[in-house]
Amino acid sequence: GAGVSQSPSNKVTEKGKDVELRCDPISGHTALYWYRQSLGQGLEFLIYFQGNSAPDKSGLPSDRFSAERTGGSVSTLTIQRTQQEDSAVYLCASSHSRTGVNEQYFGPGTRLTVT
Amino acid sequence: AQTVTQSQPEMSVQEAETVTLSCTYDTSESNYYLFWYKQPPSRQMILVIRQEAYKQQNATENRFSVNFQKAAKSFSLKISDSQLGDTAMYFCAFMKQGTGANSKLTFGKGITLSVRP
Repeated sequence: GAGVSQSPSNKVTEKGKDVELRCDPISGHTALYWYRQSLGQGLEFLIYFQGNSAPDKSGLPSDRFSAERTGGSVSTLTIQRTQQEDSAVYLCASSHSRTGVNEQYFGPGTRLTVT
Repeated sequence: AQTVTQSQPEMSVQEAETVTLSCTYDTSESNYYLFWYKQPPSRQMILVIRQEAYKQQNATENRFSVNFQKAAKSFSLKISDSQLGDTAMYFCAFMKQGTGANSKLTFGKGITLSVRP
């Protein structure tokens, strides 16, 4: 079946502009995660969605970052007033939440470059 | 909070040889999961192998196996009969047991593995 997809694959934006990154999880997966991969910080957790529950936003680095998940499926990560330190690869993952190990399946990521 | 340490930034191995990638972690949890993920230049993170902490037997997946030492908090990955397609970044990751926010992954910094022909 189809895996996790993300769009765009690459995004170049000017400092101060807003950007939206999209994630389509695997059909039927109720859990969705956003991670950020940067040279300085490695891979960091950003936000977690489970079904229609309130998200866990504990990893968001600032209030310029927000995310939503519509209908328990597609998710959008929004970065407002982008800064150069926001340049990174943003990875999305989904899993079928159940008891036991929740194996996460990753998308190919969006490479964001802020100039 | 959990931490995952991969102290080797890069390694190189001859095709068909065996290589071991190191990982240590720190946690106060008694039940958790450990993973090795592979990230080739395409950026797609691919699960290589996973280990449940409550299992004493080391996990194996074809040419990939782990040496899990719970007391030492060590989780190394052994790749046997290395192939050119194994060239990638490898990340060690930790997950608490449970659902919800516990299921987020904590990653190490990664190691770049190059397989030489």
